[in-house]
Amino acid sequence: QSVLTQPPSVSAAPGQTVTISCSGSSSNIGNNYVSWYQQFPGTAPKLLIYDNNKRPSGIPDRFSGSKSGTSATLGITGLQTGDEADYYCGAWNNGLSAGLVFGGGTKLTVL
Amino acid sequence: VHLLESGGGLVQPGGSLRLSCAASGFTFSNYGMSWIRQAPGKGLEWVSGITGSGANIFYADSVKGRFTISRDNSNSTLNLQMISLRAEDTAVYYCTKWPARFVGATRPWLDSWGQGTPVTVSS
Repeated sequence: QSVLTQPPSVSAAPGQTVTISCSGSSSNIGNNYVSWYQQFPGTAPKLLIYDNNKRPSGIPDRFSGSKSGTSATLGITGLQTGDEADYYCGAWNNGLSAGLVFGGGTKLTVL
Repeated sequence: VHLLESGGGLVQPGGSLRLSCAASGFTFSNYGMSWIRQAPGKGLEWVSGITGSGANIFYADSVKGRFTISRDNSNSTLNLQMISLRAEDTAVYYCTKWPARFVGATRPWLDSWGQGTPVTVSS
């Protein structure tokens, strides 16, 4: 059971927009930055969004992030078949068992 | 930035294994490092983190007391000593880099990942 909650899957057609939600608590998302990672089958995850809504160099502006309260959202516009991957949210969890926590991952299918 | 893990393999339950990560392309001692694992068909799980100086260390509850993270800044190497291994430790283990020397809430993301090394715990 992951600390952060994501939908197992989302799907949309090429060119459309999709959002992936990530729900947490005041121990993590509510008081800390959220990051997002993209993972293609058989490869390592790659940082997609950090500081809730910032993109590392080389990440297209089709990808965006936002946060409100204890939830965060990843948005992808102008969907491409090459965006089909697993997406994970992450945040620091405060408390006695401090550490990074992740969502269970969302499989994006581009129909 | 390049992170290259090694040391994974097949080990029996109760056995031990030592993972290493050779880092290059950046000043290793200036950055916190972590191990993240991913069980087959599952999501990402934080295992352990260590600050740039090695002074502060964090472990997930699931590995506390069994795994030991360490770093050799003179050789730009990150290590993970694993003992009393269990079937549930079976996963691909990724070496990851933090964006600053500390590990924690201030800049909580992993900006570089290695390709991973597989660990299988089975009899």
